[in-house]
Amino acid sequence: SQQGEEDPQALSIQEGENATMNCSYKTSINNLQWYRQNSGRGLVHLILIRSNEREKHSGRLRVTLDTSKKSSSLLITASRAADTASYFCAPSGAGSYQLTFGKGTKLSVIP
Amino acid sequence: DAGITQSPRHKVTETGTPVTLRCHQTENHRYMYWYRQDPGHGLRLIHYSYGVKDTDKGEVSDGYSVSRSKTEDFLLTLESATSSQTSVYFCAVTREVNTGELFFGEGSRLTVL
Repeated sequence: SQQGEEDPQALSIQEGENATMNCSYKTSINNLQWYRQNSGRGLVHLILIRSNEREKHSGRLRVTLDTSKKSSSLLITASRAADTASYFCAPSGAGSYQLTFGKGTKLSVIP
Repeated sequence: DAGITQSPRHKVTETGTPVTLRCHQTENHRYMYWYRQDPGHGLRLIHYSYGVKDTDKGEVSDGYSVSRSKTEDFLLTLESATSSQTSVYFCAVTREVNTGELFFGEGSRLTVL
């Protein structure tokens, strides 16, 4: 398994603004997943992008993947106070069922 | 959802006592995991299971043991708890085998005094 590294560690924005967080990883992947964790809760799967995809959308979420740079970004558009949470990326290699998580990006959306 | 129940949700214990955390799932998932989450460290994998009686170590397995005698239950045991094991423990299952997507429980907060 390999670990993704999220950047920035913390991000504070006003409600209605867009939030972008990034993930870097080190070896080739099968897919990359993003998870959200609200304070005191378990992680929740948000979106998955496969290695042969460059961009994926789900509601207000947009994920991009650049395998040549071994990086991914998560964009949350028109942020809401309810988006306040920590966000984690999890790169997944072929045949590996173990996901390893970094320290995450802590997003604060100010009403 | 994957129907994961962790118990206990909160526990305070003293150094040197044994502690067992239970993860119970209702949807027959094959792969199960125990993570711990600490400030400044993110989530770290302790142990995982790929079937009944089939378990393996993760990156921070020292001081922990696991057992899986039934598909639905994955137990994490601290044989002799230490203050460094104060943490929030999360159980997870692989919900989608094709993608490795995980579903997490709500966590068990353990304090070792």
